[in-house]
Amino acid sequence: EVQLLESGGGLVQPGNSLRLSCAVSGFTFRSYGMGWVRQAPGKGLEWLSAISASGGLTYYSDSVRARFTISRDNAKNTLYLQMSSLRADDTAIYYCAKGRTSGGASNSHDYWGQGTLVTVSS
Amino acid sequence: QSVLTQPPSASGTPGQRVAISCSGSNSNIGSNAVHWYQQIPGAAPKLLIYNTDQRPSGVPDRFSGSKSGTSASLAISGLQSEDEADYYCATWDDSLNGVFGGGTKLTVL
Repeated sequence: EVQLLESGGGLVQPGNSLRLSCAVSGFTFRSYGMGWVRQAPGKGLEWLSAISASGGLTYYSDSVRARFTISRDNAKNTLYLQMSSLRADDTAIYYCAKGRTSGGASNSHDYWGQGTLVTVSS
Repeated sequence: QSVLTQPPSASGTPGQRVAISCSGSNSNIGSNAVHWYQQIPGAAPKLLIYNTDQRPSGVPDRFSGSKSGTSASLAISGLQSEDEADYYCATWDDSLNGVFGGGTKLTVL
């Protein structure tokens, strides 16, 4: 059974940093691209970032490009999102999602985690 | 404002056919595959259609997708109460980022 489990969310002050993790099981992690998508309270889905299976290719939305870093550890079956300079409008549920292919450039995700809530507030 | 444009709401009665549109541009829908997600409130999104018209295993054939030029459409036939959810279109943009539509809230009357 494919499982994705996000962790690392919580309350953080504006300007601070946070690292999200996504531990996966049930599939060959090193063979698939992965991504992060967020959803602000009461709002729609927002694509944030993607990474290829090898980790050699990364992609970012303009809204997070200079502040967030996606990475993966294929030995640990874990995806990460390092977030810095957090702002109030970064408050959202953050989902990690498995890509359907080895590349990261598709926005096609067949499995999703349950999400982790990040609240940016003083 | 989302890169892909969807109607904010749609509705239908049980048994009806409903279509949800998704409008983009040459750099996204016009040159890349379109995917559709269903999201029940409080739950993670679920992949409904991938590569414009393909259904993942387990998705009923009542759901179908199509694309023409820079627009795509999700059709749901034989509408059921359990189809009440938010629906999002998604694709890749040639500027090297993913994009979503703003979402359509489907109400089954």
